[in-house]
Amino acid sequence: KNQVEQSPQSLIILEGKNCTLQCNYTVSPFSNLRWYKQDTGRGPVSLTIMTFSENTKSNGRYTATLDADTKQSSLHITASQLSDSASYICVVSDRGSTLGRLYFGRGTQLTVWP
Amino acid sequence: EADIYQTPRYLVIGTGKKITLECSQTMGHDKMYWYQQDPGMELHLIHYSYGVNSTEKGDLSSESTVSRIRTEHFPLTLESARPSHTSQYLCASSGGAQGAGEQFFGPGTRLTVL
Repeated sequence: KNQVEQSPQSLIILEGKNCTLQCNYTVSPFSNLRWYKQDTGRGPVSLTIMTFSENTKSNGRYTATLDADTKQSSLHITASQLSDSASYICVVSDRGSTLGRLYFGRGTQLTVWP
Repeated sequence: EADIYQTPRYLVIGTGKKITLECSQTMGHDKMYWYQQDPGMELHLIHYSYGVNSTEKGDLSSESTVSRIRTEHFPLTLESARPSHTSQYLCASSGGAQGAGEQFFGPGTRLTVL
């Protein structure tokens, strides 16, 4: 069964600190993995996309890693800001359909305190 | 500006009422999607469309219906709203001929049925 599991479920950090969010998946055949940021009451916005051959990708203070062998990904946030408070969702897509089927994790709720 | 729009953003309605949630995109995307999301839970696909006059049911059974008469417009209708329909509804669209192109999400409609 295709699944995406994220940890931790929630996380509280102080402004300026770093944090790492984890994602494990069982989706096959794998196409790509995206990390989305979802602010409260808003739709998700893509932060990074990683394909099978990519190990690391950065977008400003966000750095995503992918280990396709162990089917694990992480999202590292450096020098956190209050605006980073949001839900971070790991989304994996398969390449077995023309639709581009997406599998969503439940997200990690990050709270950054001043 | 290319974007995806949803209206209304919030809707509180009584049981038995008919409602239509609007979704429009100006990106010229062929594929459009409706997701349902409860707090702390993953997004569930309830409807999708490959293009004009194409509509399909997603993974999560839903009593709602959709239509796709124009490329840019993908409304969702509930003929008789019930409290169990209370949720956040997210519309998305994607381009590309095949596979998992990035899905762009609207801001969502928060529906509460009393």
